[in-house]
Amino acid sequence: GQQVMQIPQYQHVQEGEDFTTYCNSSTTLSNIQWYKQRPGGHPVFLIQLVKSGEVKKQKRLTFQFGEAKKNSSLHITATQTTDVGTYFCAVTESGAGSYQLTFGKGTKLSVIP
Amino acid sequence: NAGVTQTPKFQVLKTGQSMTLQCAQDMNHEYMSWYRQDPGMGLRLIHYSVGAGITDQGEVPNGYNVSRSTTEDFPLRLLSAAPSQTSVYFCASSYSGSAGYTFGSGTRLTVV
Repeated sequence: GQQVMQIPQYQHVQEGEDFTTYCNSSTTLSNIQWYKQRPGGHPVFLIQLVKSGEVKKQKRLTFQFGEAKKNSSLHITATQTTDVGTYFCAVTESGAGSYQLTFGKGTKLSVIP
Repeated sequence: NAGVTQTPKFQVLKTGQSMTLQCAQDMNHEYMSWYRQDPGMGLRLIHYSVGAGITDQGEVPNGYNVSRSTTEDFPLRLLSAAPSQTSVYFCASSYSGSAGYTFGSGTRLTVV
């Protein structure tokens, strides 16, 4: 099945600092999705990237899809305590008939006030 | 709109017992999936369905059965619970295989 590596596993930042998490695959991806899970909560869909080199922004969050469609990043500018949680990337393989959405192991973000 | 509803929220089973985790969605989504989440392991796909009457195995299907008789419901059955099945289980649905998924609030299962 599809393998996706997500780094770092943990990140502790001071409030106001920036944060970036990376998702890497050895194979070409159809698309990549990003989710956020608050402590004790369930994953919540943030965004989907489909096109090579695509960049999307949601307020302080910037999502990028690599040119080769094998990697992606999520960057948070000026973190706030409300950003605390685990951020997951999720991928489906490129090609017809692939319906399995595979999640990375996530990056757990802690924000120190 | 309730979204994805999972019941029960918490469950304690004895080894060898069976039970069904319920999942229902009211968004007319064709795609539904079951994941388990364990510390440090992320979310691992157990079974998924691309429509009523169609199911397939994910990464960790052993010990679990599913069926999809209606678009709305996708129950997950544990036939003989084992301590290794202690986990948090999430059901999720989507209108297509390549769109974002809506997750239920989860079932926290402990097998003793």
